[in-house]
Amino acid sequence: SQQGEEDPQALSIQEGENATMNCSYKTSINNLQWYRQNSGRGLVHLILIRSNEREKHSGRLRVTLDTSKKSSSLLITASRAADTASYFCATDTGRRALTFGSGTRLQVQP
Amino acid sequence: DADVTQTPRNRITKTGKRIMLECSQTKGHDRMYWYRQDPGLGLRLIYYSFDVKDINKGEISDGYSVSRQAQAKFSLSLESAIPNQTALYFCATSDNTGPYEQYFGPGTRLTVT
Repeated sequence: SQQGEEDPQALSIQEGENATMNCSYKTSINNLQWYRQNSGRGLVHLILIRSNEREKHSGRLRVTLDTSKKSSSLLITASRAADTASYFCATDTGRRALTFGSGTRLQVQP
Repeated sequence: DADVTQTPRNRITKTGKRIMLECSQTKGHDRMYWYRQDPGLGLRLIYYSFDVKDINKGEISDGYSVSRQAQAKFSLSLESAIPNQTALYFCATSDNTGPYEQYFGPGTRLTVT
């Protein structure tokens, strides 16, 4: 079973709107990471949030973490067509390798 | 030049053939990983290695083997390819100190007919 599950599986928005995707996980974590994948390409690390942090920002990205609910959210503000991609959360549980979720496919319409 | 490279980028092979996918990195990382991605799905870990002498099975290692020839090289082999091994394969690296952000190669698209 997946440690991280993203929600929604797919999201379609207009350029300029905000996009929010969520990740839920099952066991305690050291940190949670978000990655982006353009179609058929390798994943690219976006942002990391540690278990003792509640919110982090990086440019147009905002990540929150609620360890009591075992959930995280990724907000992309003022989305652009170039943000079209799949977004994955990955959890570091201290078990030696990250566990990736199944991803959210984001389509930003120009 | 890319930090993590994979060869070949695309490969079509027949059932029963042996095939090797290669990964090289110039990041100086000790940790290397092989993942498989099926259409519309996330990544599943096949094998990982934390140094040249450390090889570990991931969640879907059956039908695969690996070799860590050097710190910079980590190869994945399919001893006898079968059609359900058709997938996109990714190599990734991370350093030895947390928080273990991973750097991915461009992927190898493998089709087994």
